[in-house]
Amino acid sequence: DSGVTQTPKHLITATGQRVTLRCSPRSGDLSVYWYQQSLDQGLQFLIQYYNGEERAKGNILERFSAQQFPDLHSELNLSSLELGDSALYFCASSLSAAGGIYGYTFGSGTRLTVV
Amino acid sequence: AQTVTQSQPEMSVQEAETVTLSCTYDTSESDYYLFWYKQPPSRQMILVIRQEAYKQQNATENRFSVNFQKAAKSFSLKISDSQLGDAAMYFCAYTPRGGATNKLIFGTGTLLAVQP
Repeated sequence: DSGVTQTPKHLITATGQRVTLRCSPRSGDLSVYWYQQSLDQGLQFLIQYYNGEERAKGNILERFSAQQFPDLHSELNLSSLELGDSALYFCASSLSAAGGIYGYTFGSGTRLTVV
Repeated sequence: AQTVTQSQPEMSVQEAETVTLSCTYDTSESDYYLFWYKQPPSRQMILVIRQEAYKQQNATENRFSVNFQKAAKSFSLKISDSQLGDAAMYFCAYTPRGGATNKLIFGTGTLLAVQP
């Protein structure tokens, strides 16, 4: 157990639907990062939150949104789902906004399948 | 743009032998961190080793060591005495020390097979 909890582990949904992925960071970590891992795109950075505020945005589609709550858990919302959104979605956490200093801890991921 | 390149999509090694995985990166930053992550079939991302660019000494973690060549922007991973449990996808990753964002930038990965 890495200390980063992602739920659900698996999700199967239909095109056009909306889903919410949840991430609880390791205790004490303030920064949360979301990544998408697909077969053709590799590991792509989506978005980072630090202590409740958006810190950096990567290749995140407009149909996707995220937030970090006061208790520091984060949710990634994916809407108007398409077949191409099928992927493994990772959450990682770090103590500070500068993740490299203290390292990153990854959750076990949520496998999203859009049918 | 900061990029990470892993030129070996697949590698194979005999059990107990040594294998080296290659990684190059491109950045204009002088201070940064480099990582190797292991992703076994369970899909969990596991940190193997971490290198701080301002440290000239190569990082070592048990059977895992790196060859960090800053001028060449090269960061290879050496696995000694390979074990069956080392079979996995290995990702090289980079993040700057400072700057507006500290996201990890990943390479495309190298799939390592360990033959008994």
